[in-house]
Amino acid sequence: AQTVTQSQPEMSVQEAETVTLSCTYDTSENNYYLFWYKQPPSRQMILVIRQEAYKQQNATENRFSVNFQKAAKSFSLKISDSQLGDTAMYFCAYSGGGADGLTFGKGTHLIIQP
Amino acid sequence: NAGVTQTPKFRVLKTGQSMTLLCAQDMNHEYMYWYRQDPGMGLRLIHYSVGEGTTAKGEVPDGYNVSRLKKQNFLLGLESAAPSQTSVYFCASSHRGGWGNTEAFFGQGTRLTVV
Repeated sequence: AQTVTQSQPEMSVQEAETVTLSCTYDTSENNYYLFWYKQPPSRQMILVIRQEAYKQQNATENRFSVNFQKAAKSFSLKISDSQLGDTAMYFCAYSGGGADGLTFGKGTHLIIQP
Repeated sequence: NAGVTQTPKFRVLKTGQSMTLLCAQDMNHEYMYWYRQDPGMGLRLIHYSVGEGTTAKGEVPDGYNVSRLKKQNFLLGLESAAPSQTSVYFCASSHRGGWGNTEAFFGQGTRLTVV
């Protein structure tokens, strides 16, 4: 079974700083997909960024980018120029591409301080 | 433009009571999922469905039942609620192809407390 590990339960940075959230995973598959979801206090799950394992290029979405290291099974999220609205729980998730859903990490609570 | 709608948003049950959570999606998605979220545990898959009339067990199915009688609806039932089922429940849906090939959409969650 696949596992996803987020080793930072909570992080706090100052507004405008850059922050990196860590995620490692375990799988025997060669093709798979990785995701970062944001969950603000409203509880809504919001897709931040996704990465296909067969793509070597790291995904980017505006201020959000990933560092995907397939051999190391690492998938970190970098948030540049952090904003107060980035305060949220962030979940790393894995999919083998099939129908059986996502495997989530336990989450990192990110706090952006003014 | 509703997306995925969960009913109810909040509920308090007494131990032993039963209830059904409703998930409705208006995007004609084939796949639907039920997750539970507990503090420090992330989201864990309870049951899922790949089409009308089909269901399958996820990681934590015990104590729950599901039904998918209509493509747009996915029901999660608790026959005899227990305090261990106190959690936030999320429904999600996606087109055929699963999470890898298409974006999945989540409902707003249902906070259930069993006393």
